[in-house]
Amino acid sequence: QVQLQESGPGLVRPSGTLSLTCAVSGGSISSDNWWSWIRQPPGEGLEWIGEIHHSGVTNNNPSLKSRVIMSVDKSTNQLSLKLNSVTAADTAVYYCARNWRYNMDVWGKGTTVAVSS
Amino acid sequence: EIVLTQSPGTLSLSPGERATLSCRATQSVSSSYLAWYQQKPGQAPRLLIYDASTRATGIPDRFSGSGSGTDFTLTISRLEPEDFAVYYCQQYGSSPLYTFGQGTKLEIK
Repeated sequence: QVQLQESGPGLVRPSGTLSLTCAVSGGSISSDNWWSWIRQPPGEGLEWIGEIHHSGVTNNNPSLKSRVIMSVDKSTNQLSLKLNSVTAADTAVYYCARNWRYNMDVWGKGTTVAVSS
Repeated sequence: EIVLTQSPGTLSLSPGERATLSCRATQSVSSSYLAWYQQKPGQAPRLLIYDASTRATGIPDRFSGSGSGTDFTLTISRLEPEDFAVYYCQQYGSSPLYTFGQGTKLEIK
């Protein structure tokens, strides 16, 4: 059974770079799946950030413009997310999830990131 | 961009009652591309329904989905105490590939 676990710094300075990893266990990141990043600001709804295939192909949400970089590390079975030039509006719980049939069927527990000086 | 609008924003019901949650899209959505999630406080969302009407693995049959085109509905036939949560609809489509509704909070009356 696939499980996902996000990790990263809980605090990022404004204008800095948010860097998160998502460890995939119980399955291979190279399986025929896409993997998504989703975030949820405090008290708000869900926003899809982007998705990545193990081949390295990505699709991003245009709302985040070119600030997002996603990658996969097959050797460690991990995904990574980098978000540049962060502001307070990027404060959120960040989730990784497995895409399946145009949905997300497996989610990590999420990791909270605050952007503050 | 396809925008999903969920109603009501908050639904107050008692255990044992029937809940009907609505999700309306600004453009037609293929039924294959519409899903529902449940989220409890401090937890990640959980996939309930996919393909608009198919229950995900392990989801009780009191949950059902229906609809087509621009109007979709999640129905909980008889509310259990553990069903009180926030529910989101989600669609897959043109840019951005995935969008979510703003959520309906189902609270105990």
